[in-house]
Amino acid sequence: AQSVTQLDSQVPVFEEAPVELRCNYSSSVSVYLFWYVQYPNQGLQLLLKYLSGSTLVESINGFEAEFNKSQTSFHLRKPSVHISDTAEYFCAVSLDTGRRALTFGSGTRLQVQP
Amino acid sequence: GAVVSQHPSWVICKSGTSVKIECRSLDFQATTMFWYRQFPKQSLMLMATSNEGSKATYEQGVEKDKFLINHASLTLSTLTVTSAHPEDSSFYICSASGTRRSPNYGYTFGSGTRLTVV
Repeated sequence: AQSVTQLDSQVPVFEEAPVELRCNYSSSVSVYLFWYVQYPNQGLQLLLKYLSGSTLVESINGFEAEFNKSQTSFHLRKPSVHISDTAEYFCAVSLDTGRRALTFGSGTRLQVQP
Repeated sequence: GAVVSQHPSWVICKSGTSVKIECRSLDFQATTMFWYRQFPKQSLMLMATSNEGSKATYEQGVEKDKFLINHASLTLSTLTVTSAHPEDSSFYICSASGTRRSPNYGYTFGSGTRLTVV
């Protein structure tokens, strides 16, 4: 079975500073990797995903994540955060891209301070 | 892009009554739907997986008779919480996935339903 570890439950950061949210996974087979963002009392929005190909994936709002197979990691980064980035971020893995459920990490609360 | 509509967004019900939550895929056919439960400040816990026309597969520890899931069409899945009790109060989120050949293949989430049982 696969599992996901998000090492930081909360990450406080000042506005315009860079940030990295860490995600490590464990699986005996190849997995697909995802990052989701959740705002209060809302569902999940896909930030980015790694299915295959280039190990560096980017989102339209400035986030990027790099798949590192040797370190079994998929850390999320942004070079300059905004107040509006304050939210809960979930890393997730799946053995499939739709037929099997996602396995989520425990989440990281990103708190951007002015 | 793929859109999943979940209703209601919040509901308050009396203990002992039943509540139905709907999850609709608006612009694609959802062959697989997932139902999650989320407690405050916690991650999502998978409750069940349902494929259109088949019985749902429940995760260990989830009561099938309490959480009834129906996936009768390719665009609609429902979760009915039967004889609700205060401990069933939670945030419920659905996720839908289209067919492999469709551009919407993958996971799209509904906006969630906040259930409060009083």
